[in-house]
Amino acid sequence: QVQVVQSGAEVKKPGASVKVSCKTSGYTFTNYGISWVRQAPGQGLEWMGRISAYTGNTNYAQKFQGRVTMTTDTATGTAYMELRSLRSDDTAVYYCAREKFTGGQAPFADWGQGTLVSVSS
Amino acid sequence: DIQMTQSPSIVSASEGDRVTISCRASQNINIWLAWYQQKPGKAPKLLIYKASNLESGVPSRFSGSGSGTEFILTISSLQPDDFATYYCQQYNSLLYSFGQGTKLEIK
Repeated sequence: QVQVVQSGAEVKKPGASVKVSCKTSGYTFTNYGISWVRQAPGQGLEWMGRISAYTGNTNYAQKFQGRVTMTTDTATGTAYMELRSLRSDDTAVYYCAREKFTGGQAPFADWGQGTLVSVSS
Repeated sequence: DIQMTQSPSIVSASEGDRVTISCRASQNINIWLAWYQQKPGKAPKLLIYKASNLESGVPSRFSGSGSGTEFILTISSLQPDDFATYYCQQYNSLLYSFGQGTKLEIK
């Protein structure tokens, strides 16, 4: 079955960068897109962007343009999300999620367990 | 970007009640809408996709309707396991977005 496993919690100082990994298995990695979604403490879900695992093409929410980079390693079935110039309001649980259908424009069927990123001086 | 607005933000209900949650898109998204359930400390779970398609394994008391800009999630008879937060999400283009969430509380 599909498995999505994220890297562990991170503690960063303001201005630093963080790179979260999302290792998948149980399906053909390049057939599906992966999105990144974050959730600040006590807040709702915020979509950050997606990457096509087939082409490597990315689409980022305007809010994160210039500060986020999403990549994939097709050899290992792993997706990565790097967020730079961290601020305290970037403190959140970051999720990766696999799209349900191929070709993009699809809901999220499988989610990672979440990675807590804490930003504090 | 497409803005998604849910109402109400909080709903209080009792076991056995019928509950509806609304979601409005800032522009036409056809039927490209999903609903998720999230419990504290857990990842969201897909309930409904393409506005009205029930995800495999989701109880039939959950249903979705709507198209264009107006959508509704209905839970026909609340069970104890249903008390959670619900989110709508549009995927009309490759720039997705979520509603702000609706917390379903026990009355």
